[in-house]
Amino acid sequence: QSALTQPRSVSGSPGQSVTISCTGSSSDVGGYNYVSWYQHHPGKAPKLMIYDVSNRPSGVPDRFSGSKSGNTASLTISGLQAEDEADYYCCSYAGTYTPYVFGLGTKVTVL
Amino acid sequence: QLLLQESGPGLVKPSETLSLTCTVSGGSISSSGYYWGWLRQPPGKGLEWIATIYYSGSTYYNPPLKSRVTVSVDTSKSQFSLNLSSVTAADTAVYYCARVDAYRSSSWPFDYWGQGTLVTVSS
Repeated sequence: QSALTQPRSVSGSPGQSVTISCTGSSSDVGGYNYVSWYQHHPGKAPKLMIYDVSNRPSGVPDRFSGSKSGNTASLTISGLQAEDEADYYCCSYAGTYTPYVFGLGTKVTVL
Repeated sequence: QLLLQESGPGLVKPSETLSLTCTVSGGSISSSGYYWGWLRQPPGKGLEWIATIYYSGSTYYNPPLKSRVTVSVDTSKSQFSLNLSSVTAADTAVYYCARVDAYRSSSWPFDYWGQGTLVTVSS
């Protein structure tokens, strides 16, 4: 199972919106509504931001939103803030024997 | 607040067994609907799921690693463990433990993570 494709980096100024794409195939992203997103500040514990494409766990700001179209899922951060600068990883279910396929991560930089 | 903390040697020799323990605090390791998992991230590479275990002992393994991986749980100590045998340099990675939320979603997302521990395989 190949890793999901994410841009290596995206950037934006405070208050702007950025969108991170996560491209897979019909065997993973496109085949199931089971995409999750994780935020990782280096040296800290990763944090679940979105699950099942667009659901936010309690405590996650509504500035974070998820969506999916075909084989590509997206994470949008609206009203970018300094603390949003981190690495973001997407993850998709890909079947019984491959329940988790991750992307290589996208570094979000707040200019 | 649920906390997970990985512990174990930071250096393992090739062909030996990598052993890590995750200690869970601030919540019960025996909670219904929650599983416990191990993941890793080699330097410069993406995250890889290794295995998942339920407090009852039910286990799920990533097929490419299954022949070398054993996970176990000790509810009395609120800990679960990972053993990875016959390690090579390719097993050098940051290893994470995490809680799997099977209650929230059928996709079993990882909703709480440890900070990770770097394990280097080298002689």
